[in-house]
Amino acid sequence: NAGVTQTPKFQVLKTGQSMTLQCAQDMNHEYMSWYRQDPGMGLRLIHYSVGAGITDQGEVPNGYNVSRSTTEDFPLRLLSAAPSQTSVYFCASRTRSPRGADTQYFGPGTRLTVL
Amino acid sequence: KQEVTQIPAALSVPEGENLVLNCSFTDSAIYNLQWFRQDPGKGLTSLLLIQSSQREQTSGRLNASLDKSSGRSTLYIAASQPGDSATYLCAPRDQTGANNLFFGTGTRLTVIP
Repeated sequence: NAGVTQTPKFQVLKTGQSMTLQCAQDMNHEYMSWYRQDPGMGLRLIHYSVGAGITDQGEVPNGYNVSRSTTEDFPLRLLSAAPSQTSVYFCASRTRSPRGADTQYFGPGTRLTVL
Repeated sequence: KQEVTQIPAALSVPEGENLVLNCSFTDSAIYNLQWFRQDPGKGLTSLLLIQSSQREQTSGRLNASLDKSSGRSTLYIAASQPGDSATYLCAPRDQTGANNLFFGTGTRLTVIP
């Protein structure tokens, strides 16, 4: 299994540009999520999905869109990039177990700089 | 909203020492708690997961405990090695809504050879 994969690893954008961060997992996990990590602030949840066709907002959703057309893929779209979106972005996935025994796995991250 | 605090923010120890990292959280209604390791410029690697019904979990030199009622977890590292140098993050998973993970800012550990 490749686990959770993210592309690209690095990206530089100009203010106002749009782009899509790709995330894929090959573990047949229902739950997928996007976090951003900023110095001194920990990881914050942007959007999440509990299955294909179902998405919801996390703690910091403004400026980002998501969709989930397949179980495997969960892309994150920046509509009009702003310098405040400079961050490291992590995608994660896990199964949906109500018993609490399911580990959440993270991708390697995408480092985004907005000029 | 779940708030997670990790103390200390940074820790430096000589090789071979045993050490304890602390994590506290405000909402005790959790399904589980995960401890992660993050190396500089890398993603998160899961170390241990403790279910809410468990008191502790062990993996090699690592032992994590959970006191859900008081909102605390500790990660014990025995006989520390330079390769243990990394940032350690704890993340409780909420029982409400979509059962998301919430993160603290981590403890940056340096083990000096």
